[in-house]
Amino acid sequence: GESVGLHLPTLSVQEGDNSIINCAYSNSASDYFIWYKQESGKGPQFIIDIRSNMDKRQGQRVTVLLNKTVKHLSLQIAATQPGDSAVYFCAEYSNAGNMLTFGGGTRLMVKP
Amino acid sequence: DAGVTQSPTHLIKTRGQQVTLRCSPKSGHDTVSWYQQALGQGPQFIFQYYEEEERQRGNFPDRFSGHQFPNYSSELNVNALLLGDSALYLCASSLGATDTQYFGPGTRLTVL
Repeated sequence: GESVGLHLPTLSVQEGDNSIINCAYSNSASDYFIWYKQESGKGPQFIIDIRSNMDKRQGQRVTVLLNKTVKHLSLQIAATQPGDSAVYFCAEYSNAGNMLTFGGGTRLMVKP
Repeated sequence: DAGVTQSPTHLIKTRGQQVTLRCSPKSGHDTVSWYQQALGQGPQFIFQYYEEEERQRGNFPDRFSGHQFPNYSSELNVNALLLGDSALYLCASSLGATDTQYFGPGTRLTVL
């Protein structure tokens, strides 16, 4: 498949460690945020979302934290596995428009 | 339950030609959004279709047009292709304009 994110920031972690991927968003009116995972040759895959009336949401092995004061979003992956290796994008959504705005992405590499 | 499907998978065109890409939304979804993803970047919103009408448009020229059919499937048309139109074109579907968007695998367009 094609390569995604050839020049993206890269986070390299050891298998079994926890990973934290950060994202800064720009629109203070954004009220819905989504993390997507994109593997080579595939479209973005929904991981977890959070609305602006929350500051934390947990899923299976993943946690999203939202800090509206500094417009910062993070994705925490517990016990990172080789299958977690991919490019991760945060996306923000504003009621003012029906579109997602994506961040630049971070490549996660998991070392066995 | 079928997810979002796109065709074709890959396409090669020459400058000045026209191209049509197709998308079938996830079962039960009525809204289709199109994105362009250049290599190493996050997806960029092109436009969104709901009830067979274009509801929102990103910063793309009129060479990019679309259509939504009564069965909610959609087409993206690009006229007068430029080298810079080479990218992965992603379709995402949702139930309504503001619901979570789920992506298809994309169509890789190469313009020579």
